[in-house]
Amino acid sequence: AQKVTQAQTEISVVEKEDVTLDCVYETRDTTYYLFWYKQPPSGELVFLIRRNSFDEQNEISGRYSWNFQKSTSSFNFTITASQVVDSAVYFCAVSGGSYIPTFGRGTSLIVHP
Amino acid sequence: EPEVTQTPSHQVTQMGQEVILRCVPISNHLYFYWYRQILGQKVEFLVSFYNNEISEKSEIFDDQFSVERPDGSNFTLKIRSTKLEDSAMYFCASRPTRVSNEKLFFGSGTQLSVL
Repeated sequence: AQKVTQAQTEISVVEKEDVTLDCVYETRDTTYYLFWYKQPPSGELVFLIRRNSFDEQNEISGRYSWNFQKSTSSFNFTITASQVVDSAVYFCAVSGGSYIPTFGRGTSLIVHP
Repeated sequence: EPEVTQTPSHQVTQMGQEVILRCVPISNHLYFYWYRQILGQKVEFLVSFYNNEISEKSEIFDDQFSVERPDGSNFTLKIRSTKLEDSAMYFCASRPTRVSNEKLFFGSGTQLSVL
């Protein structure tokens, strides 16, 4: 069975603050993939990043960075210098042998100007 | 970029009524999914569909639910007799393959309200 816990329901920051969204996952699979999706006000979930279980290198893409730690089963997402356009709901997901991604409940990020 | 489209964006229905939620997946995708999110809860998998049949389904997907690909482009979710607890945002998704590292392409969702 797979499970994703996003303990933060809502985070509110002021523009230019850094913010970290937490994700803790559970899976019995030895090979699995982790994802982050963004849900802007328009509603659709938009893919942001994918990570496989064998690659614990952190990744940076512009203002976004992801920290994967297998030892703590965490895959956290940091936005540096947040902007109002970052306001959205962010979902973490895990996919393993079942091929069906399991999502968390999402974290609503509100960035105030 | 190609999109998954869902209609309607909002659906209000009376308890006990049948509803059909519609989706048009991306044209060259072969695997189709329905997820739902009850307000404040996690996004839950309902069903996956490939080659005109259900490939996997969750415990939520009971006899009240059915899926169909009636014409090669639409992918529908039918709820036969809606209950109050069916109120949720329903997301359709598709992808070209079913490998675990393949991302899903989601539609904007249908907000279903059962009164």
